[in-house]
Amino acid sequence: AQSVTQLGSHVSVSEGALVLLRCNYSSSVPPYLFWYVQYPNQGLQLLLKYTTGATLVKGINGFEAEFKKSETSFHLTKPSAHMSDAAEYFCAVSSKAAGNKLTFGGGTRVLVKP
Amino acid sequence: GAVVSQHPSWVICKSGTSVKIECRSLDFQATTMFWYRQFPKQSLMLMATSNEGSKATYEQGVEKDKFLINHASLTLSTLTVTSAHPEDSSFYICSARGTVFDQPQHFGDGTRLSIL
Repeated sequence: AQSVTQLGSHVSVSEGALVLLRCNYSSSVPPYLFWYVQYPNQGLQLLLKYTTGATLVKGINGFEAEFKKSETSFHLTKPSAHMSDAAEYFCAVSSKAAGNKLTFGGGTRVLVKP
Repeated sequence: GAVVSQHPSWVICKSGTSVKIECRSLDFQATTMFWYRQFPKQSLMLMATSNEGSKATYEQGVEKDKFLINHASLTLSTLTVTSAHPEDSSFYICSARGTVFDQPQHFGDGTRLSIL
């Protein structure tokens, strides 16, 4: 079985400040990990993914995430928030054993203050 | 690349009618497509997985006779909500994955379904 926990359903940051979204996963097999962003009334856009190899993954829009197996974490960061980063962010896990089906965390809504 | 188109984006219909939602992969062949349901301010819940040319696999608790899924080609999957009722109102999102097993899923923009 696999699961994802996102700490904090809402995060508020000031424009220009660090964005940190926390994600912890549970998987009995090597996981594939993803971060997606969702804007209102839209589908999900892939920010970045980890499958194998380098544990620090860089994605679009200046986001990056680090896979830490010992901590079962895959936290998302961005050094400097922009107003356009206001959205809902979902962490997800999948694996070959799970047929590559995605299991999503509960989501974190990011509010960016001017 | 990897564009998924979902149609319609909004639909309002009367209780008892059936509604069809289309999901198309525009620039790649989608061996597998997924259908999700999302309630307001909640995460995505996987409803079913469909592989081209095969019957869909439904998640536990999802009524396969209520939510009919067809994946007749490598670029098109459809979800039909049969005899829709107000409790079926939701945001439905499809995603598609290419022929390589560990490729990420690419999502459509979703369909807002409102049943009156």
